[in-house]
Amino acid sequence: RKEVEQDPGPFNVPEGATVAFNCTYSNSASQSFFWYRQDCRKEPKLLMSVYSSGNEDGRFTAQLNRASQYISLLIRDSKLSDSATYLCVVRASNDYKLSFGAGTTVTVRA
Amino acid sequence: SAVISQKPSRDICQRGTSLTIQCQVDSQVTMMFWYRQQPGQSLTLIATANQGSEATYESGFVIDKFPISRPNLTFSTLTVSNMSPEDSSIYLCSVEVDRETTEAFFGQGTRLTVV
Repeated sequence: RKEVEQDPGPFNVPEGATVAFNCTYSNSASQSFFWYRQDCRKEPKLLMSVYSSGNEDGRFTAQLNRASQYISLLIRDSKLSDSATYLCVVRASNDYKLSFGAGTTVTVRA
Repeated sequence: SAVISQKPSRDICQRGTSLTIQCQVDSQVTMMFWYRQQPGQSLTLIATANQGSEATYESGFVIDKFPISRPNLTFSTLTVSNMSPEDSSIYLCSVEVDRETTEAFFGQGTRLTVV
């Protein structure tokens, strides 16, 4: 089983729509959670960290469910510029290494 | 934050040859990593580049195939040796500046095609 699994999508949504997707992780010792964004042919960049209580950053909302071992990302009022691949990233408490999901592709159309 | 310069950005190489990828950071960092990303797949950690000592390799990756140097806290190289078409991938350098924030910064990547 992969350490981090994501629905690859693609999620194809119109501008202004809301899109949400999940990521599951297998290591119950995971302690730190992140969403990274990767544009086509570019390097990944941190979108937001995910905190236990859930957190928002503008139109982006991240949630963590430790009991079910999944995290989610919701994008409200989608913009064309939100088109990208979103990588779920997890780190265990006893490890410095990051585990990456394969990414969820979102395409926002006009 | 950290600004990472990785080069070359892309290369097409003949099988059996070797390519060395360079990663230069604009500040001293403790942790430097090398990843591989194959099309449609997640980033896979190759190794952790340790300053002044041998790199720490992940399962499935060996020093003879992927020798790594890290002579100081701002620079590292990854060599892909005796290349085959299966080595065609994107190779990414990554650093962590601050363990408190745990944000990872990435170089622009090297797109390698082996023919």
